[in-house]
Amino acid sequence: KAGVTQTPRYLIKTRGQQVTLSCSPISGHRSVSWYQQTPGQGLQFLFEYFSETQRNKGNFPGRFSGRQFSNSRSEMNVSTLELGDSALYLCASSSGTSNTGELFFGEGSRLTVL
Amino acid sequence: AQSVTQLGSHVSVSEGALVLLRCNYSSSVPPYLFWYVQYPNQGLQLLLKYTSAATLVKGINGFEAEFKKSETSFHLTKPSAHMSDAAEYFCAVSDGNFGNEKLTFGTGTRLTIIP
Repeated sequence: KAGVTQTPRYLIKTRGQQVTLSCSPISGHRSVSWYQQTPGQGLQFLFEYFSETQRNKGNFPGRFSGRQFSNSRSEMNVSTLELGDSALYLCASSSGTSNTGELFFGEGSRLTVL
Repeated sequence: AQSVTQLGSHVSVSEGALVLLRCNYSSSVPPYLFWYVQYPNQGLQLLLKYTSAATLVKGINGFEAEFKKSETSFHLTKPSAHMSDAAEYFCAVSDGNFGNEKLTFGTGTRLTIIP
């Protein structure tokens, strides 16, 4: 069974640009969550999508957005990039229909903003 | 709101020695607790989880953790450290509400193994 796949793995952008990251969940999983990981703030929850609807949202500005497609694949977008957006962005999938909170993570997309 | 506190951002142990990584939680409801491991340049991998079935939980790679409600703790242990255990370890909590896939993570503990 294939795991969670994130693309691209590495990318470099400049301030003011925008970026789109992609996540393919484990087959059969309908929930996709996104986390930002930085040395200073640690792992912070961005948002979670289930069946194409945003079900939970973290405390990030509106520059951070996401969406989920009918095949459960998800994308997140960051507009008007700032230096502080440099981070590892982790995607995680789960069935979305249990209450154990167990997530399966991808290897992440490392974004560097110059 | 749930939270977890990991005591010690860095822990060093000798190869073959006991590994003890500390995690305390705060939750207004019975929590679901997790330990994840992250190797360099990789995502997070689930080590073990507590979902109220048994207080002593065994995970992968010889790790285990004990849920102690009286101490609000969920410490991770391994009897004998191996060089391959060098990684960053994260404790996390979920409130277990249906439809809430959000995990709240601790700040992480970097484990170094001394040969």
